[in-house]
Amino acid sequence: GENVEQHPSTLSVQEGDSAVIKCTYSDSASNYFPWYKQELGKGPQLIIDIRSNVGEKKDQRIAVTLNKTAKHFSLHITETQPEDSAVYFCAASTGLDNFNKFYFGSGTKLNVKP
Amino acid sequence: KAGVTQTPRYLIKTRGQQVTLSCSPISGHRSVSWYQQTPGQGLQFLFEYFSETQRNKGNFPGRFSGRQFSNSRSEMNVSTLELGDSALYLCASSSSTKLFFGSGTQLSVL
Repeated sequence: GENVEQHPSTLSVQEGDSAVIKCTYSDSASNYFPWYKQELGKGPQLIIDIRSNVGEKKDQRIAVTLNKTAKHFSLHITETQPEDSAVYFCAASTGLDNFNKFYFGSGTKLNVKP
Repeated sequence: KAGVTQTPRYLIKTRGQQVTLSCSPISGHRSVSWYQQTPGQGLQFLFEYFSETQRNKGNFPGRFSGRQFSNSRSEMNVSTLELGDSALYLCASSSSTKLFFGSGTQLSVL
């Protein structure tokens, strides 16, 4: 089955700096790659996603890039703020072909220092 | 639109007991998935239901089961609880491929 690896496991940045989280996947059939943010005591919240026919997607301070050849995708957060502090998860899925079975990375704990 | 609702938020059980968790998906969503989240294993897929049918299943023992009702609400059941079943159980509903999670049920097995 699919294997998703995520790095780093923890990331500490100064407010205003950029943060980058990287994931690799193993199954070339995976075609949908969402990113989730999980705050303490809450469930994961979808923050951005990308499909395999797109190389980059941006939403305000958040962007995701995908390299299908290398099988890796990354989350970029610019101008970080203390409220960005949370655990971030990447995931991969073959989408409808696999009836919404998602494989998640192990998570990155982001700490934004004021 | 209301989000995914899971009840209860917290549960404390003892080994050998059974437990039932409930999930109400976002209105209009017909697919409901369940995930187990633990510090050591991360987020692991349990099963997925669509129109009352289980379409996909993860690698969990048969003690873990689920069902979906005609109104898309779903329940999962864990029988003969073990200490290792202590985890946050997350329900997610989806339309097309986007998953939306509830806040989870935190299960502690003593």
